Amino acid sequence: NAGVTQTPKFRVLKTGQSMTLLCAQDMNHEYMYWYRQDPGMGLRLIHYSVGEGTTAKGEVPDGYNVSRLKKQNFLLGLESAAPSQTSVYFCASMAGSINSPLHFGNGTRLTVT
Amino acid sequence: AQKVTQAQTEISVVEKEDVTLDCVYETRDTTYYLFWYKQPPSGELVFLIRRNSFDEQNEISGRYSWNFQKSTSSFNFTITASQVVDSAVYFCALSGTLSGTYKYIFGTGTRLKVLA
Repeated sequence: NAGVTQTPKFRVLKTGQSMTLLCAQDMNHEYMYWYRQDPGMGLRLIHYSVGEGTTAKGEVPDGYNVSRLKKQNFLLGLESAAPSQTSVYFCASMAGSINSPLHFGNGTRLTVT
Repeated sequence: AQKVTQAQTEISVVEKEDVTLDCVYETRDTTYYLFWYKQPPSGELVFLIRRNSFDEQNEISGRYSWNFQKSTSSFNFTITASQVVDSAVYFCALSGTLSGTYKYIFGTGTRLKVLA
């Protein structure tokens, strides 16, 4: 019963380095989301996907790219990390109807020095 | 635009006290859903409840209760006889279709500290 799995759990990057966060879900959900959580700012949507092969921008997309090549996976990339991207990143998936709750992964804590 | 406001940044109560967490929302959708999530110190986000815009009945689940009032655009969450294990950050969220495809908008969260 894995649900939504995020890897890695922790990562430290130096400014300018790149990395990819992986999100995998085994619930056959259509919708997937990437959020970042910062103190006092709640959860802010970075990018989301309504199905395999599709992606769209959320509230704070700058500096990030995403891909959804397979239905079960949603990747979040940072091409050139900046200290402002230090945050906790959450992936979530949703079945695809307005009343469906989001199912979250356990988060990835990223520090950019 | 859709917006969720949780004006209480942090609340501290003593164990066994009742506490209410406020959530006020804005939307132009006629059909929408409201949610509460709990984030304990371990960091995961746990779904607590969902309420649709056509159902204004209050809901009670054990020590938890939710009061949805469309007239004041509020969806408040009350914990009765609080316990230390209730210490967490609580998020209110709104989903609707007006702003796009099922985007979920979250409030900034309320940190609840229950002191023994």
